[in-house]
Amino acid sequence: DAGITQSPRHKVTETGTPVTLRCHQTENHRYMYWYRQDPGHGLRLIHYSYGVKDTDKGEVSDGYSVSRSKTEDFLLTLESATSSQTSVYFCATSVLTGTQYFGPGTRLTVL
Amino acid sequence: EDKVVQSPLSLVVHEGDTVTLNCSYEVTNFRSLLWYKQEKKAPTFLFMLTSSGIEKKSGRLSSILDKKELFSILNITATQTGDSAIYLCAVEIQGGSEKLVFGKGMKLTVNP
Repeated sequence: DAGITQSPRHKVTETGTPVTLRCHQTENHRYMYWYRQDPGHGLRLIHYSYGVKDTDKGEVSDGYSVSRSKTEDFLLTLESATSSQTSVYFCATSVLTGTQYFGPGTRLTVL
Repeated sequence: EDKVVQSPLSLVVHEGDTVTLNCSYEVTNFRSLLWYKQEKKAPTFLFMLTSSGIEKKSGRLSSILDKKELFSILNITATQTGDSAIYLCAVEIQGGSEKLVFGKGMKLTVNP
């Protein structure tokens, strides 16, 4: 498995506060992804990156921003968290083949 | 809009049963289809399929792709309680960035 860590692993926050989730990889994979997973919806792509400083939106990007200043780190920011953003967030990485490797996930609760 | 549909969405079986999980897709530019297993943590990769009719096999699990009819099946024979998990089907879209479109997942429960 690719060495992917996510921090924090659990977070409880209040509506309106900013939140940043971090994904760190040690495999030098070019592509990185942020997903959210909710019951009844499966995994949905929020944003992805195809290189340092190169990012693009996924299908559920509203309310989220990302940054990638180094190959190994991909940050997901909720500028002003809402209860609808309560979810489990997964980071993933890939090289070229389409096989994505997932991090352990972050459980975020917005009260 | 790219779409991946899994069926059934949940299934309860007894140990020793054989199960078949279905995944159909409608996407603009198909590159590959992937199966993942998710227990109480991150999804783990099972198979990647790119060509029709070629079975991929790993132990009691096997999978095959039909690009004409736009579906794949994942078979699990002689199920064990450790097979209980959510099984995810995803389609890789050609066009850069290796984006995956996931189905909603299928929850399999194997009872002793």
